[in-house]
Amino acid sequence: QKEVEQNSGPLSVPEGAIASLNCTYSDRVSQSFFWYRQYSGKSPELIMSIYSNGDKEDGRFTAQLNKASQYVSLLIRDSQPSDSATYLCAVNEIKAAGNKLTFGGGTRVLVKP
Amino acid sequence: DAGVIQSPRHEVTEMGQEVTLRCKLISGHNSLFWYRQTMMRGLELLIYFNNNVPIDDSGMPEDRFSAKMPNASFSTLKIQPSEPRDSAVYFCASSLGGGYTSTDTQYFGPGTRLTVL
Repeated sequence: QKEVEQNSGPLSVPEGAIASLNCTYSDRVSQSFFWYRQYSGKSPELIMSIYSNGDKEDGRFTAQLNKASQYVSLLIRDSQPSDSATYLCAVNEIKAAGNKLTFGGGTRVLVKP
Repeated sequence: DAGVIQSPRHEVTEMGQEVTLRCKLISGHNSLFWYRQTMMRGLELLIYFNNNVPIDDSGMPEDRFSAKMPNASFSTLKIQPSEPRDSAVYFCASSLGGGYTSTDTQYFGPGTRLTVL
């Protein structure tokens, strides 16, 4: 079983709709969770981080975390064609001498005008 | 401020040749991460450094791969000899903290697209 799981998609949503992306992780001691967006041919860029159970909103993006269920999600409201990209879920794995991120395989999102 | 700088952006080489990828961290950052991304395996961490010291190299595929951080702002990833299965996009990322803080954001460079023929 992969440490961080995402549905690969593509997730097709009409412009203006809500896109809902899900991510599950296996390491119960993980404390920090990140969503990165990656456009085709580009590098990942951070769009959201969340550390506590519940919701965190930033503009059109909302991250939701449920540590008991080992589940983190990302909602994109009022989806725009410019939101078409691959979204990577990343989970922080804390080691004795530092920390590293483990990435899911990514969910490709297509927003249709 | 300049972001993470990687060079070259594209590299095409023949099997058996040595390949060196370069990365310059964001000024003031203390942690450096090398990733490899392929369609099949996604984004994989190869190695990361904190304050110039390698912390975890468990992701390095085999002895053909080596990474160094000769100073606080610069790192190299070397593949010798290269093989076609090494073809991938290699990203370098840096973060501000000393690695102990779980909230550190990683900032990615533009990547190097490596093709080994």
